[in-house]
Amino acid sequence: EAQVTQNPRYLITVTGKKLTVTCSQNMNHEYMSWYRQDPGLGLRQIYYSMNVEVTDKGDVPEGYKVSRKEKRNFPLILESPSPNQTSLYFCASSPIAGAPHEQFFGPGTRLTVL
Amino acid sequence: AQSVAQPEDQVNVAEGNPLTVKCTYSVSGNPYLFWYVQYPNRGLQFLLKYITGDNLVKGSYGFEAEFNKSQTSFHLKKPSALVSDSALYFCAVEYGNKLVFGAGTILRVKS
Repeated sequence: EAQVTQNPRYLITVTGKKLTVTCSQNMNHEYMSWYRQDPGLGLRQIYYSMNVEVTDKGDVPEGYKVSRKEKRNFPLILESPSPNQTSLYFCASSPIAGAPHEQFFGPGTRLTVL
Repeated sequence: AQSVAQPEDQVNVAEGNPLTVKCTYSVSGNPYLFWYVQYPNRGLQFLLKYITGDNLVKGSYGFEAEFNKSQTSFHLKKPSALVSDSALYFCAVEYGNKLVFGAGTILRVKS
């Protein structure tokens, strides 16, 4: 089944404890992206990747890191999480970079930072 | 800056009635516009997109959207609402490899 998977789906952590949220897609998509969803703000793009080893900042990159070593994986890293990073996070992928193609979203990761 | 506005936090409609979810955008150049739907505890699903051509775009689940360049709008419509259409709807605009979303509109369809 073609899909985007994220792990974990739910995570409660404490301030300052490094964490990684994994994202993987099995559709051989070039483009991958991370978003956070907050009430009243919609989804905001954190980082995106046009292809392997090519990443760039979205609109809210502060406090986050990403890497794209393989085409299928795009982990999101929070080196020192803070309570304002409590949010619902979505990974997405798209077949073609640089073209207005629809994105396929993962199921989401609900993160709580205490 | 590119932006998307969804002026209604919530839209209520009776089953069988037509529905409209509003979206306006601000973008330089030709816009690439999208609608996505989010059901409870699920990720977003693509509904439809406007790239160029016919101003009326048809998408999944009987939804359609009308692009109006002069009013910079891209309203989502459906002729006859179903209770199962109840969800959170997002309008989005793509520019420069980024996707900018509106705040979302909750659609509630009552039987």
